[in-house]
Amino acid sequence: GQNIDQPTEMTATEGAIVQINCTYQTSGFNGLFWYQQHAGEAPTFLSYNVLDGLEEKGRFSSFLSRSKGYSYLLLKELQMKDSASYLCAVRSADRGSTLGRLYFGRGTQLTVWP
Amino acid sequence: ETGVTQTPRHLVMGMTNKKSLKCEQHLGHNAMYWYKQSAKKPLELMFVYNFKEQTENNSVPSRFSPECPNSSHLFLHLHTLQPEDSALYLCASSQPSSVGKNEQYFGPGTRLTVT
Repeated sequence: GQNIDQPTEMTATEGAIVQINCTYQTSGFNGLFWYQQHAGEAPTFLSYNVLDGLEEKGRFSSFLSRSKGYSYLLLKELQMKDSASYLCAVRSADRGSTLGRLYFGRGTQLTVWP
Repeated sequence: ETGVTQTPRHLVMGMTNKKSLKCEQHLGHNAMYWYKQSAKKPLELMFVYNFKEQTENNSVPSRFSPECPNSSHLFLHLHTLQPEDSALYLCASSQPSSVGKNEQYFGPGTRLTVT
């Protein structure tokens, strides 16, 4: 089966740095995605990792270690607007599927305090 | 209109009603998806369409019936639902490839309440 695990909740203060971890056990790994979802809104794409290492995009970075089944999303210089749920999703390469379906974690609710 | 749109945004229906959810994407994608998002649960994939053909049905009860008339439109027809079907229903689209980024773009969802 597929298992994606991430913390349920995290809190941090404005200007700080926070790291949201994600561990996974899936078959046929074919990429890991991070999405941000504000309450009542659509999930929006943040980052994609398929090779080991760090991908940086402005204040957000994402890291992947395929051998450890581990990723993290790093958010720097936190702002109030970063309060949201962060979803980790792994794309597997299911046999017979040409699309590679996504398996999502439950999401990490991040609250940023002033 | 850009991105992925969904209507209605909110829906309250009785267990004997029949209703439909609509999704439309303006991104030129050829793959479309229905997901169910319940409180404290991961996003659950329901159906996948690739070039208007259904390629996945994730053991979804028959009271949910999808329809994809073309690559830009996706419907979810609902009938005789149960209270536990109350959830946020999200539509997404992407390019139909498992290679490369090809991230999924999500609509804002329909908040469904079954009474």
